[in-house]
Amino acid sequence: GAVVSQHPSWVICKSGTSVKIECRSLDFQATTMFWYRQFPKQSLMLMATSNEGSKATYEQGVEKDKFLINHASLTLSTLTVTSAHPEDSSFYICSAREWGQGHTGELFFGEGSRLTVL
Amino acid sequence: RKEVEQDPGPFNVPEGATVAFNCTYSNSASQSFFWYRQDCRKEPKLLMSVYSSGNEDGRFTAQLNRASQYISLLIRDSKLSDSATYLCVVNRNQAGTALIFGKGTTLSVSS
Repeated sequence: GAVVSQHPSWVICKSGTSVKIECRSLDFQATTMFWYRQFPKQSLMLMATSNEGSKATYEQGVEKDKFLINHASLTLSTLTVTSAHPEDSSFYICSAREWGQGHTGELFFGEGSRLTVL
Repeated sequence: RKEVEQDPGPFNVPEGATVAFNCTYSNSASQSFFWYRQDCRKEPKLLMSVYSSGNEDGRFTAQLNRASQYISLLIRDSKLSDSATYLCVVNRNQAGTALIFGKGTTLSVSS
């Protein structure tokens, strides 16, 4: 089946630094990918929709300058948390949908990236 | 009001029990519905889609009531391995481009 891979799985950084998380669709092309954030004991919250070759669409309340999204190719989207602070510590998950003949359009999730900002 | 709301849980049941989870959604234009399962510190995985006619997959039965904007999941003959958080998920728009997740209901099955 389709695989979505995220990297890194874990990252610890100092406050004020920027962190980049990669999301790759390994065996299919994804014109659209989604970024979610999940705090402990909370639901996944959709942050933004990443569109290949164009600007991402951000959900209300998500700072686009804080969470930079780049979707430069059909298999890679990146999320950069700029000037990270402790309140940005969370579990970030990406997902992508495999469309096309023979595919159900099921959404596949990456393994998630746990960010801890000290 | 949150877009997707679920039973708060947690549900603690013995093996073999039948347990039901409920979910309501606020956006009447929502197009499709799912139940996902999430194990601790893992990514969510699709458990089953939910259709208006109701659908069953082994011990799992999902129901959708569009008029009441209500979704349910029934698990029969609970197994220890069913212990997880079950997420009610709604596809917000016709393009199917964004899933909105409920907070999740935690199920703990004990022997």
